[in-house]
Amino acid sequence: ETGVTQTPRHLVMGMTNKKSLKCEQHLGHNAMYWYKQSAKKPLELMFVYSLEERVENNSVPSRFSPECPNSSHLFLHLHTLQPEDSALYLCASSQEALQSYEQYFGPGTRLTVT
Amino acid sequence: GIQVEQSPPDLILQEGANSTLRCNFSDSVNNLQWFHQNPWGQLINLFYIPSGTKQNGRLSATTVATERYSLLYISSSQTTDSGVYFCAVEGGNAGNMLTFGGGTRLMVKP
Repeated sequence: ETGVTQTPRHLVMGMTNKKSLKCEQHLGHNAMYWYKQSAKKPLELMFVYSLEERVENNSVPSRFSPECPNSSHLFLHLHTLQPEDSALYLCASSQEALQSYEQYFGPGTRLTVT
Repeated sequence: GIQVEQSPPDLILQEGANSTLRCNFSDSVNNLQWFHQNPWGQLINLFYIPSGTKQNGRLSATTVATERYSLLYISSSQTTDSGVYFCAVEGGNAGNMLTFGGGTRLMVKP
């Protein structure tokens, strides 16, 4: 247990569906992150939030929409995805976003887009 | 941006053997972490080691920041050590945004 939980663990959705991924951290951290891990590619940073404000968006398509209602919760809203969006989506948290702190990861949501 | 290269990409060991995994990076770093990803996808923190040497049981790590590399040592390997080992760095003014290497896939055979 890393103190970061994600739900659901597995998700299958069609290209016209709308779904959301949820992440919660119990570590009292102020920063949260979404990463994408595709087959045969390194983990890619998607979004960074610091105290509920987005501080980084790494050129992610608008069909991915993050939401951070408070420092403990992070969502990734998905709509009209493509099959190439199938991947493992990992959430992480750290003490702060703009300083060097250790990041802790959740177990991931394995997404399949059909 | 900063480049991170890990070697070897794949490694097969017999149980009980020792191994060294390497991580090279292209610029100075403020943060370096080693992770083990288990077969279910969970990234487990092994070391937070921007410089120096640390040990935790059968694992140890050394980062030589001035020469831009880090090493992860696994001694007396066990089958449960199997999985993918990732090095991730935060370089320069990246503000705690990690760049991951491609990983080393380790298989330990009984």
